[in-house]
Amino acid sequence: GQQLNQSPQSMFIQEGEDVSMNCTSSSIFNTWLWYKQDPGEGPVLLIALYKAGELTSNGRLTAQFGITRKDSFLNISASIPSDVGIYFCAGEPTGGTSYGKLTFGQGTILTVHP
Amino acid sequence: GAVVSQHPSRVICKSGTSVKIECRSLDFQATTMFWYRQFPKQSLMLMATSNEGSKATYEQGVEKDKFLINHASLTLSTLTVTSAHPEDSSFYICSADGTGGDTQYFGPGTRLTVL
Repeated sequence: GQQLNQSPQSMFIQEGEDVSMNCTSSSIFNTWLWYKQDPGEGPVLLIALYKAGELTSNGRLTAQFGITRKDSFLNISASIPSDVGIYFCAGEPTGGTSYGKLTFGQGTILTVHP
Repeated sequence: GAVVSQHPSRVICKSGTSVKIECRSLDFQATTMFWYRQFPKQSLMLMATSNEGSKATYEQGVEKDKFLINHASLTLSTLTVTSAHPEDSSFYICSADGTGGDTQYFGPGTRLTVL
């Protein structure tokens, strides 16, 4: 099956620093989504990307859909303590029986030190 | 908008009993809902796709007779874990397709503990 490689697995940063994480795949995706999950909660959608090359911002978050449709990155600027959590990328594969299904990356655990 | 709820949030049951988990889209209709399982410190693994008015489709390795899914309306899907065993203990999360089907919104999850 299709797999997403998400990196880094974990990050320990100081408050105020910028953060960057990315996902790559060997397959093409139609949609890239970035979620944040707090402990004991379901993932919350941060940014959705639908077109190759698309660059979208949501407050301090910026994400891009790679031109090759096989990768995406998420940047967080000026991190704050409440940014702590696990960030997942997710991609929707192209057509066929995988339509509508999401493949998730392994997650990036973000720790922000005040 | 796009709020998905799950009930219960936590459940503890004895081995051999069945547990039903509900997933509701509160402010939109969802033709398709998805059920995931997440073990500690791991990513989400898709179990099955629930389609309103038709049978669910299960991912490889997921026992359809053990994890019964019913999607009776456009706002409700249920997952029943039958004859639960300790190895079924996990965090179960549902999601629903948003308008246009390009985005999934997740419920808050249900923590199942089987003793």
